[in-house]
Amino acid sequence: DTGVSQDPRHKITKRGQNVTFRCDPISEHNRLYWYRQTLGQGPEFLTYFQNEAQLEKSRLLSDRFSAERPKGSFSTLEIQRTEQGDSAMYLCASSSSGNEQYFGPGTRLTVT
Amino acid sequence: QQQVKQSPQSLIVQKGGISIINCAYENTAFDYFPWYQQFPGKGPALLIAIRPDVSEKKEGRFTISFNKSAKQFSLHIMDSQPGDSATYFCAPGGSNYKLTFGKGTLLTVNP
Repeated sequence: DTGVSQDPRHKITKRGQNVTFRCDPISEHNRLYWYRQTLGQGPEFLTYFQNEAQLEKSRLLSDRFSAERPKGSFSTLEIQRTEQGDSAMYLCASSSSGNEQYFGPGTRLTVT
Repeated sequence: QQQVKQSPQSLIVQKGGISIINCAYENTAFDYFPWYQQFPGKGPALLIAIRPDVSEKKEGRFTISFNKSAKQFSLHIMDSQPGDSATYFCAPGGSNYKLTFGKGTLLTVNP
């Protein structure tokens, strides 16, 4: 499978715990994006990398959220001190030189 | 401010019918207009996209119509099939590459 992959697919955590998600983009795609999707809504942009540089962050990305793409390949999204409002599907997408973004299957986070 | 307004919220059509979903946007900096299809529990999948230099693009049973002056674009699904039952999102984007998604349209195609 050469598509975008995300791990884990599901995560259940208790409020206050830290969680980390991983995204592996399509090989040779230099742009990587994180979105968040809550039930019944469209995905909302969180942040975007070009190679290893984080170029834009949404105001939705509070100080508890951090994303990295250390070698311009895979990316991680960490949420510290999770809150129930963080429960959502976290989606990763990648693209090459154009606008066409290809999404992974997402990580479903449930905060209890 | 809701930059992207999608309608209808839900749509029921019979097999073989035409499904039409509309998207209105406010940001004139958008220059890329895609439609995504999403099945439950899956990530969105790029269906078809258009640039503002053309008014229509057709790929198989799927057609995008684009009206730059009205700041609207629409998705037409011809010969709708039960397998097309999914949620559809418009997601225009601009030079900063981030996509702004609509709230989605739940399409149900009855057999």
